[in-house]
Amino acid sequence: DQQVKQNSPSLSVQEGRISILNCDYTNSMFDYFLWYKKYPAEGPTFLISISSIKDKNEDGRFTVFLNKSAKHLSLHIVPSQPGDSAVYFCAATTLGRLYFGRGTQLTVWP
Amino acid sequence: GAGVSQTPSNKVTEKGKYVELRCDPISGHTALYWYRQSLGQGPEFLIYFQGTGAADDSGLPNDRFFAVRPEGSVSTLKIQRTERGDSAVYLCASSLTIDLAGYNEQFFGPGTRLTVL
Repeated sequence: DQQVKQNSPSLSVQEGRISILNCDYTNSMFDYFLWYKKYPAEGPTFLISISSIKDKNEDGRFTVFLNKSAKHLSLHIVPSQPGDSAVYFCAATTLGRLYFGRGTQLTVWP
Repeated sequence: GAGVSQTPSNKVTEKGKYVELRCDPISGHTALYWYRQSLGQGPEFLIYFQGTGAADDSGLPNDRFFAVRPEGSVSTLKIQRTERGDSAVYLCASSLTIDLAGYNEQFFGPGTRLTVL
């Protein structure tokens, strides 16, 4: 039973526009939520996180929003750049373990 | 390099064989994690170590899977009597320590792609 879900396998966005990646979760015990970025043949790299007691965290072009009542989080990338093209994994943690979604392939075209 | 390294990068084996996958964590990181990523899925937790001991091995799918970290640094994931369903990318990660109430960034290696024929 998947506790972290990414229902969109892919997203295509024009360069300069906003990319919005969505994630839902079921476990109310998660302490932190994270986004990882993955290029082919490489391991995932940490992008941004948010504590379960916050509703927004911003880091440059990346902002993560958390809606605890809806058990939903999203990652906004503004402006999107071709180098952002990668698979994005949503993840959540409790008791030292990370739970990942299936990932969303983001393609940013010029 | 100073990152997490994994060897081999690719491993092809036959059903029923035994395989070992190695992970070298970032120097000084006391926590080490193993994940498995099957095709079309996200990484799935297998086991993590704090120092030399397995702090949580509840993600190991069955008793064919075993992992060790004898000196608190390098770890080996061992799979006995491999099955075709074991084919996946096996990812290793390390972090400075484990915070059970928070989060310590996990740094991932490039993974080992295991193919069982």
